[in-house]
Amino acid sequence: AQSVTQLDSQVPVFEEAPVELRCNYSSSVSVYLFWYVQYPNQGLQLLLKYLSGSTLVKGINGFEAEFNKSQTSFHLRKPSVHISDTAEYFCAVSEDDYKLSFGAGTTVTVRA
Amino acid sequence: KAGVTQTPRYLIKTRGQQVTLSCSPISGHRSVSWYQQTPGQGLQFLFEYFSETQRNKGNFPGRFSGRQFSNSRSEMNVSTLELGDSALYLCASSPSPASGFNEQFFGPGTRLTVL
Repeated sequence: AQSVTQLDSQVPVFEEAPVELRCNYSSSVSVYLFWYVQYPNQGLQLLLKYLSGSTLVKGINGFEAEFNKSQTSFHLRKPSVHISDTAEYFCAVSEDDYKLSFGAGTTVTVRA
Repeated sequence: KAGVTQTPRYLIKTRGQQVTLSCSPISGHRSVSWYQQTPGQGLQFLFEYFSETQRNKGNFPGRFSGRQFSNSRSEMNVSTLELGDSALYLCASSPSPASGFNEQFFGPGTRLTVL
């Protein structure tokens, strides 16, 4: 069984500042890793995913994440945030392709 | 291509009633998964259907059930509703799991409130 820990529940950040959202996972087998974003009253949108290959993954809206197998981490970063990045972010893992296990989420609030 | 659609978007029920939620996957997608999202428990996997068969089930009581039709549309049913069933129910579809990983595409969810 796998589990996901998002180390920060709330991250306030000023506009144009960088942001990093931390995610650690545990699993006994190889996993696929994802970051999703959820805007108020909406479903989940995939930001990026790691399936295999390069450990640095680039996603939509300027986000990127780095897979670190030795530290079992998959931290999400953006060098310069916008007000529109205010949302809740979820890290997720999957050992197959039809069941995702999610972290508790990180609420990012971008202030002007 | 139209995205995943879920109906209704909002629902209010009272304890003891039952409810049916519907999910129409992206055209051509054959796998449908359901998730429950609550402030206390976060996002939790309910079950997944592929070709009208439930392949995997999360840790939920038997009051939660689902089915999938031949056109891949799926419904989930919750019987004898409890206050704790109030949640956002998300449906996700993905293409055939024949090989490799298939990304899940989420619908906007159905917000269920149990009074």
